Amino acid sequence: KQEVTQIPAALSVPEGENLVLNCSFTDSAIYNLQWFRQDPGKGLTSLLLIQSSQREQTSGRLNASLDKSSGRSTLYIAASQPGDSATYLCAVHQAGTALIFGKGTTLSVSS
Amino acid sequence: NAGVTQTPKFQVLKTGQSMTLQCAQDMNHNSMYWYRQDPGMGLRLIYYSASEGTTDKGEVPNGYNVSRLNKREFSLRLESAAPSQTSVYFCASSAPGLRFEQPQHFGDGTRLSIL
Repeated sequence: KQEVTQIPAALSVPEGENLVLNCSFTDSAIYNLQWFRQDPGKGLTSLLLIQSSQREQTSGRLNASLDKSSGRSTLYIAASQPGDSATYLCAVHQAGTALIFGKGTTLSVSS
Repeated sequence: NAGVTQTPKFQVLKTGQSMTLQCAQDMNHNSMYWYRQDPGMGLRLIYYSASEGTTDKGEVPNGYNVSRLNKREFSLRLESAAPSQTSVYFCASSAPGLRFEQPQHFGDGTRLSIL
């Protein structure tokens, strides 16, 4: 059974720091991997989707990489800002299943 | 630009009561989903609908029923609420294509407490 793990569970950094969030999955037979952002009391916002054939995707200050063979993905946030404070979730999609989510990393960026 | 709209936003029920959570999307998406989010458990799929007129069970369907009323609307019903169904419920939708390959767009959730 696919399991998705996100480490660390929480992270606090000062404004301006570059940071990396980690996501690992146990079964490499995935269609794609998505990174989401969730603000308190809100739904999920899709940040980046990486198809299984891709190595990385970029959007603004965000860069997500995928190493399917090792079961790992990272979300790199450059020059962090207080507005980046949120919970970040990764999810994988396999054939015949729904998205399988990790439990998230809660990021706090202090000014 | 509403996206995915869920009603109500908050609800408190007594054990055994029934209610329906409503979800509507205005993005012309074929696929719609219901998830629940619980502390320490992450998001888990309850039911999904790949297209109008079809529904399928997800990981945790027991105690729930769904209706895909039309392309825009997908409702979730609790027939006899139990305290274990206290959770935050999210509806999501995605564009045409192989149903799980497109980004999913989420509503803001319904916070449901069952006493």
